[in-house]
Amino acid sequence: GAVVSQHPSWVICKSGTSVKIECRSLDFQATTMFWYRQFPKQSLMLMATSNEGSKATYEQGVEKDKFLINHASLTLSTLTVTSAHPEDSSFYICSADRGTYEQYFGPGTRLTVT
Amino acid sequence: RKEVEQDPGPFNVPEGATVAFNCTYSNSASQSFFWYRQDCRKEPKLLMSVYSSGNEDGRFTAQLNRASQYISLLIRDSKLSDSATYLCAVLMGEDNDMRFGAGTRLTVKP
Repeated sequence: GAVVSQHPSWVICKSGTSVKIECRSLDFQATTMFWYRQFPKQSLMLMATSNEGSKATYEQGVEKDKFLINHASLTLSTLTVTSAHPEDSSFYICSADRGTYEQYFGPGTRLTVT
Repeated sequence: RKEVEQDPGPFNVPEGATVAFNCTYSNSASQSFFWYRQDCRKEPKLLMSVYSSGNEDGRFTAQLNRASQYISLLIRDSKLSDSATYLCAVLMGEDNDMRFGAGTRLTVKP
C-alpha cells in the first residue's frame, strides 16, 4: 500500500516558538495533501488542503497565518505552527491522495506546547 | 446537523460475535465513502472503500444506502484484534474534502 511519512513523530516546545511538521509521500506523487488535527477522543478535523504549487485552502476557523502550509513538491508538504500556545497541543496528521480519492495517512505528530 | 454522524458506541462484544456500525451523512451529492480503522494513538488506516453495490472483504462487509444517506460496516466472527475505533469518511463538496465521523469504539472480549 501507499506509504506516507511524517516527521517528527512527537515534539515538545515552549509557548511562543514555532514548530515545523513534514509530510512525505514515499512511493507515489501526491498532488493533494491534507492536514488534520485530532484532539483526544475526538474525530479528525480537516485543517487545510494543500495543493502542490499553489496556496493551501484552509477550513473555516483555521488561521492561515498561524498554520503555515507549504507544498513545495509532489512528495512533500509542511505544516508550521507559528507562535504555538498550549491550546495548539494536539495530534496532527497528514494524508495524501494518490488520485483515487483514497487518502493514506502519515503516522501523525503529537505536539505538546508547554 | 453534523456532516457525518456515527453510532456513539462503545461496542463491547464477545469473540465470534457479529457487530454492525452505521454512519449517516448530510450531503446527498457525496460520491465516495470509506471506512477507516484507528488504533489508540495511531493514524487511521483505510479499511475499505464503500461501493454503490456494496463490497465484502473477508469478515468485513460495507454497504451504502443512498436513499437514506448512510453507510454501514458489518464485522462477522469478531476477533480480539478487531478492537479499535472505526471511522467512517465521506468525500463532500466540489473540493472533495474528506469529512470524518467521530468514530465508534469497538472492544472485542475473550
